[in-house]
Amino acid sequence: DQQVKQNSPSLSVQEGRISILNCDYTNSMFDYFLWYKKYPAEGPTFLISISSIKDKNEDGRFTVFLNKSAKHLSLHIVPSQPGDSAVYFCAASALYSGGGADGLTFGKGTHLIIQP
Amino acid sequence: DVKVTQSSRYLVKRTGEKVFLECVQDMDHENMFWYRQDPGLGLRLIYFSYDVKMKEKGDIPEGYSVSREKKERFSLILESASTNQTSMYLCASSSVQGLNTEAFFGQGTRLTVV
Repeated sequence: DQQVKQNSPSLSVQEGRISILNCDYTNSMFDYFLWYKKYPAEGPTFLISISSIKDKNEDGRFTVFLNKSAKHLSLHIVPSQPGDSAVYFCAASALYSGGGADGLTFGKGTHLIIQP
Repeated sequence: DVKVTQSSRYLVKRTGEKVFLECVQDMDHENMFWYRQDPGLGLRLIYFSYDVKMKEKGDIPEGYSVSREKKERFSLILESASTNQTSMYLCASSSVQGLNTEAFFGQGTRLTVV
C-alpha cells in the first residue's frame, strides 16, 4: 500500500505563474516531510522540509504547506521559472517518533514542466 | 560542501554477473541508504544502515545485499544480476543529529543488465 501519494504524474505551468504540487500520506506516524527536486541522470536534491508542528515553511520562491488533519501537503513555487522544470518527489519520515533511521518514504513524483 | 559520491555514473553488466555499487559520503553521517528509481514507481528503498556493520532490509531487498565495513562507505551488491534490476540506483546519507535530517543523495548510477 502506497503511504505517500502524488496523484499527478505531470503538471504544466506557464513561466511566471504559480506551480502547486500536491502530496497525500496515509501513515499517521509521519511527522517530517520533505520535497526533493530531480533532474534527469542526477540524484535528487533537497528543496524544503516541514515538521508536523508547523503548517507552513517558506524559503524564497518555495513554500510548503501541511494540513495534518487532511494528511496533505503541497509545494508552491512562485513565480515559476524554466529551471524549475524537473521531477518533484514528496517524501515523509517518522523522524521524531524514532523512525528517522528507517529512511524516507517517497511518492512516485510529479514531472513539472514550465512553459515559456 | 556535503558530498555523496557513487563510484560509477553508468554501468552495463551481463545477466548473472556479480555487481558492486559503491557509495562514499564525507559528512560523517550515521545513516546510509540505497534506493532504486524506476519510471512510474518513484524511489524505493532497497537497504539501509544506521551504523557500521549494521544493515536493515528496506521495501525491496530481494536480489540485493549490502556491506558497511566503514562509516563512510556503503556498498550495494547484486549477487546475480538480472534484467529486471536495470534501473537508476541512488545512494543517500543522513545524520541522526539535529532536528532537520534531510537525506543527501549521490548523483546516481544508471545500471543496465543485458
